[in-house]
Amino acid sequence: DTGVSQDPRHKITKRGQNVTFRCDPISEHNRLYWYRQTLGQGPEFLTYFQNEAQLEKSRLLSDRFSAERPKGSFSTLEIQRTEQGDSAMYLCASSPTGTSGGASTDTQYFGPGTRLTVL
Amino acid sequence: AQKVTQAQTEISVVEKEDVTLDCVYETRDTTYYLFWYKQPPSGELVFLIRRNSFDEQNEISGRYSWNFQKSTSSFNFTITASQVVDSAVYFCALSEAPGSGTYKYIFGTGTRLKVLA
Repeated sequence: DTGVSQDPRHKITKRGQNVTFRCDPISEHNRLYWYRQTLGQGPEFLTYFQNEAQLEKSRLLSDRFSAERPKGSFSTLEIQRTEQGDSAMYLCASSPTGTSGGASTDTQYFGPGTRLTVL
Repeated sequence: AQKVTQAQTEISVVEKEDVTLDCVYETRDTTYYLFWYKQPPSGELVFLIRRNSFDEQNEISGRYSWNFQKSTSSFNFTITASQVVDSAVYFCALSEAPGSGTYKYIFGTGTRLKVLA
């Protein structure tokens, strides 16, 4: 399977707990993105990495959120002290630099998402 | 600011009917990209098409076709002879040109398409 993978697919946690999600991009893609999608809405941008550098963060990414991509490959998104308002689908996407395998920089390929439920 | 509007929240059609999903966008950039993605019940966003702002040619791919009109800032998507497997939420998205330094997408709120057998 050469697509974007995310783990876990589902996470149920209690308010106040910390959670961490992992994203493995398509192997030749060096750009990686995180989005959040709530029920009935489109995905909203959270943050973007090029290789290991985090180049843009949305205002949606509060101090309780942190994302890393330490070796420029997989990425993790951690939410500390979760709140019920954090319940959402967290989507990861990747894209190449330039053109790779027919895909262009501008096209993002999404993983299956991690659905977070905070009780 | 960039914005994408998908005014149709939900559409129901009977199998084999044609259906058009509307997308209207706002941007101040002269160079930008537009996309359509399909999100089936499994949740994964599936890429359908990318169009840059300099290419207004309509595109057809099998039963799918796209009509891009800069004059009305619209990028509409038509499914011909719809099938039950087309049932999903469809998202239109906008991104700025890479030279602006950002690659994020601005998504619309999606249109849920239900195709009834």
